[in-house]
Amino acid sequence: IAGITQAPTSQILAAGRRMTLRCTQDMRHNAMYWYRQDLGLGLRLIHYSNTAGTTGKGEVPDGYSVSRANTDDFPLTLASAVPSQTSVYFCASSDSLTNTGELFFGEGSRLTVL
Amino acid sequence: GQNIDQPTEMTATEGAIVQINCTYQTSGFNGLFWYQQHAGEAPTFLSYNVLDGLEEKGRFSSFLSRSKGYSYLLLKELQMKDSASYLCAALDSNYQLIWGAGTKLIIKP
Repeated sequence: IAGITQAPTSQILAAGRRMTLRCTQDMRHNAMYWYRQDLGLGLRLIHYSNTAGTTGKGEVPDGYSVSRANTDDFPLTLASAVPSQTSVYFCASSDSLTNTGELFFGEGSRLTVL
Repeated sequence: GQNIDQPTEMTATEGAIVQINCTYQTSGFNGLFWYQQHAGEAPTFLSYNVLDGLEEKGRFSSFLSRSKGYSYLLLKELQMKDSASYLCAALDSNYQLIWGAGTKLIIKP
């Protein structure tokens, strides 16, 4: 693994199903983030974590949950998917807790909820 | 409210120069980022400005005016590989990133 890895790359999901998007980084960054990217909109922060064991809500947290059991992993769970959660999801990490450093992004997970 | 404005799309010619503008309104300000995102790929960091002025990095330069709430990204000697979306993001007083919707740059031969 080099950098930040997301899985799956893409997924089609029936509404009401549970889904977990995985994110792993090997850079030992403390801060990790989940964003969604929709056409015509800027990246929107879903949840973040400044260090293992802590998480926080971003701009659009409803319908999503995260956990940070260790430094490397930051999974995003949709408990009961809805069509409005169709989006491209990016996981990112940074060695800066004040967001003043570069964000390193995973390649994205394209999720379609039918 | 907090807002980032940048043009939706721009077209330029290979070998030319293009300037992508970004204006921001945020609660406080702790710097401005530019990221490049090729279609279907992840954003990658280009620059971070926190002080007024121009910072040059190879063919790319980024300018910031804090008093005007304005930044631009200048791309020189355009290459076809520069065809991408360019994302502007401002850091507010709580160190939260506010992202623009991105400017899609189309390079024509």
